[in-house]
Amino acid sequence: AQSVTQLDSQVPVFEEAPVELRCNYSSSVSVYLFWYVQYPNQGLQLLLKYLSGSTLVKGINGFEAEFNKSQTSFHLRKPSVHISDTAEYFCAVSENNDMRFGAGTRLTVKP
Amino acid sequence: NAGVMQNPRHLVRRRGQEARLRCSPMKGHSHVYWYRQLPEEGLKFMVYLQKENIIDESGMPKERFSAEFPKEGPSILRIQQVVRGDSAAYFCASSRTFEASTEAFFGQGTRLTVV
Repeated sequence: AQSVTQLDSQVPVFEEAPVELRCNYSSSVSVYLFWYVQYPNQGLQLLLKYLSGSTLVKGINGFEAEFNKSQTSFHLRKPSVHISDTAEYFCAVSENNDMRFGAGTRLTVKP
Repeated sequence: NAGVMQNPRHLVRRRGQEARLRCSPMKGHSHVYWYRQLPEEGLKFMVYLQKENIIDESGMPKERFSAEFPKEGPSILRIQQVVRGDSAAYFCASSRTFEASTEAFFGQGTRLTVV
């Protein structure tokens, strides 16, 4: 089965700094890739997804991610973060309708 | 179209009791996933079900835990004889049939506290 590795469990950054949250996956077939965000005491919301086509995907709240097939990566980036971006971020891979998540990266934005 | 509905939102059980967590998927969705999120940890896959079938339960503890998704009604995650270590947030997600590219939609979760 497919699997997802999020390399950083916690990422602290200062407000207005750029951020990259790393995600690598393993799969034997073509997959679909997703990033979700979880704010405190809430469920997960979709940030963006890669299905096909352009490898650079833009999502909500100024986030974007780049699919790199040769490196099996799907890193999430934002050029300038806000305090309100503080949350848990989950990378996910879907293969044959079976979705698996990484362990999550806790992004903390400090003033 | 209502989203994924989980109930209850909060559940308190004494050690040894049973916990039943319900998940009603979005209309038209026949795939359901259950995940557990322990305090300060990420999401852990538990089980993947389609209507009346368990597709993958590799993330489910072998004892005390069971899940079902009947033809009619919500999906149920059942934990028998709960212990303190079962305290966690349990999330359900659903997705549509025949569209592997669709995202999963999540419920708000059920927060189980075992006292």
